[in-house]
Formats: sequence, C-alpha cells, structure tokens
Amino acid sequence: GAGVSQTPSNKVTEKGKYVELRCDPISGHTALYWYRQSLGQGPEFLIYFQGTGAADDSGLPNDRFFAVRPEGSVSTLKIQRTERGDSAVYLCASRARVVWETQYFGPGTRLLVL
Amino acid sequence: LAKTTQPISMDSYEGQEVNITCSHNNIATNDYITWYQQFPSQGPRFIIQGYKTKVTNEVASLFIPADRKSSTLSLPRVSLSDTAVYYCLVGDKADSNYQLIWGAGTKLIIKP
Repeated sequence: GAGVSQTPSNKVTEKGKYVELRCDPISGHTALYWYRQSLGQGPEFLIYFQGTGAADDSGLPNDRFFAVRPEGSVSTLKIQRTERGDSAVYLCASRARVVWETQYFGPGTRLLVL
Repeated sequence: LAKTTQPISMDSYEGQEVNITCSHNNIATNDYITWYQQFPSQGPRFIIQGYKTKVTNEVASLFIPADRKSSTLSLPRVSLSDTAVYYCLVGDKADSNYQLIWGAGTKLIIKP
C-alpha cells in the first residue's frame, strides 16, 4: 500500500512569508507526528496528533508554528513569518492505533527560507 | 537531550559484518530499544526493536546485555547500499505520548 506522502518535496520562500506543508499519512493510521531535521542532526519532535487533536505540541518552537489535522487524516504544518532559521527538512510520520507500532516516515519537505 | 550515545561515524567494507554500539546508561524499566536507518533525502526507516537478549530479523540483529545499558546493532555482510545514518532510540512504547528522542545517529560509510 501507499506510504506516507508529503508535499511539496521542496519549498523555497522568502523571509517573512507564510508556508504550509502537507502530510498524507498511511490510511487508517490514527497517530501522526511532525519532526524537523537540520543537516547532520536527528529529527526533532514538533507535534503529535492522536486522531484530530494535538496530543502533544510541546515541540513547537514558538507561536509562528501551528499544525492541524481536521479530519484525522491529512495534516498541515503552518509556519507564519518564516525566518532563515526555519530552513530544515520537515518530516511527517504516522503510526497505527496500537501505541507500540513503529512510526512510518514520509520523505520530508525541504524548506529553504531566503 | 537524547537518551543515547552513539559513535558519530564508522567506516567498513563490503561483505563485512558491522556492529554499531549504543550506550543508554539511564534506560528505564519500561523502555524498549529501537533502531532506525535513514538514507539521504529520505525519512528514517524502522530496522529492529528489542527489550533484552537478542532479536533477529531479515535485516539485522540486536544484542542487548543483561544490564541493558547498551545495545549493539549488527549488520551482516554489508553492501554499499547500507551506507546510511543509523539511529538508536529508547522509550516506553506503552506510553501514549511516546515520542522518540533522536540523537545525531551514526553515519555508516561502506567502501568497495
């Protein structure tokens, strides 16, 4: 079956602009995670959804970052007033209902803020 | 902060067995040990998970000593395509807020 998909694969924007990054999880997966990964580093947790609600958003760096998952499937990560420091690969992962199932990652969206 | 410590990088040659050791001195009773593999421009991919002793699947083996303060990922007969970053993580997989805390991983380079 299809894996986790993310769009766009690459996004170039200017400082101060607004961007939206989309994640399509594996069908039926109730849990969805967003991570941010900088070059040479491991993924950094941002937010975790269980169904439609954010179960843990403690990793969001500031109020410029926001994520939604209105129907419990597709999720959108929104970044307002982008800064150069937001440049990174944004990864999405989904997991089946059972807590101990592994996370399945998408290919990521590479964001570059000029 | 990551709960684990791994070598930053390792080199090996095709056909060799590669062992990557991870230290997790403060592992909790309910924590499991999970290894992921990440190729350039891709998201991480689950390799193997274990709690104690030895776990083996079609890709790798995971050795965990009795004190569980470390673990070793063993890749048999590596090929060039095993060049990737390998992450060791620990966490309580029964925790509904189970997020994996990621370190920088081990960059494995396989040479011909």
